[in-house]
Amino acid sequence: KQEVTQIPAALSVPEGENLVLNCSFTDSAIYNLQWFRQDPGKGLTSLLLIQSSQREQTSGRLNASLDKSSGRSTLYIAASQPGDSATYLCAVTDYNTDKLIFGTGTRLQVFP
Amino acid sequence: KAGVTQTPRYLIKTRGQQVTLSCSPISGHRSVSWYQQTPGQGLQFLFEYFSETQRNKGNFPGRFSGRQFSNSRSEMNVSTLELGDSALYLCASSPPVAGGTDTQYFGPGTRLTVL
Repeated sequence: KQEVTQIPAALSVPEGENLVLNCSFTDSAIYNLQWFRQDPGKGLTSLLLIQSSQREQTSGRLNASLDKSSGRSTLYIAASQPGDSATYLCAVTDYNTDKLIFGTGTRLQVFP
Repeated sequence: KAGVTQTPRYLIKTRGQQVTLSCSPISGHRSVSWYQQTPGQGLQFLFEYFSETQRNKGNFPGRFSGRQFSNSRSEMNVSTLELGDSALYLCASSPPVAGGTDTQYFGPGTRLTVL
């Protein structure tokens, strides 16, 4: 059964720092991996999607990498800003079940 | 393009009642998925509909059901509500790409509180 874990569960940093959020999954049979952002009480916003054949994706200050064989992904946030404060969720589309399996998230707070 | 819309945004019910939530996907999207989000269990997949057919289903009791209409709008129904059904229910739609390889676009959710 596919399981997705995210470390750390919470992170509080001063503005301007570069951050790394970690995601690990137990079964490498995936179609893709996605990183989402969720603001309190709101829906999810897709940040980056990495297909299983890809190694990384970049969007602005965000860079996500995927090492499928080791079951790991990292989300790198450069020059963090208070507006980056949110919960970041990692999810894999499981090849065997076709389901999107989510991690429990990393709650990020960036203070001025 | 308008995003995924969900109605109502907030709902308060009592134990034993039933509830129906609605989701309108992005125009052109034929796949609609439903998720339950709770503080204890996180985000869990409920079911997916494609062209009016349930294509996939999560591990939830039969009290949770759904359907999709010919215009791709979807509804989910929860009967005999329990306190543990209190959650944020999220709907997501995705374009017609085989193999689940495309991004899902999420709505703002419906916050259900069961008293």
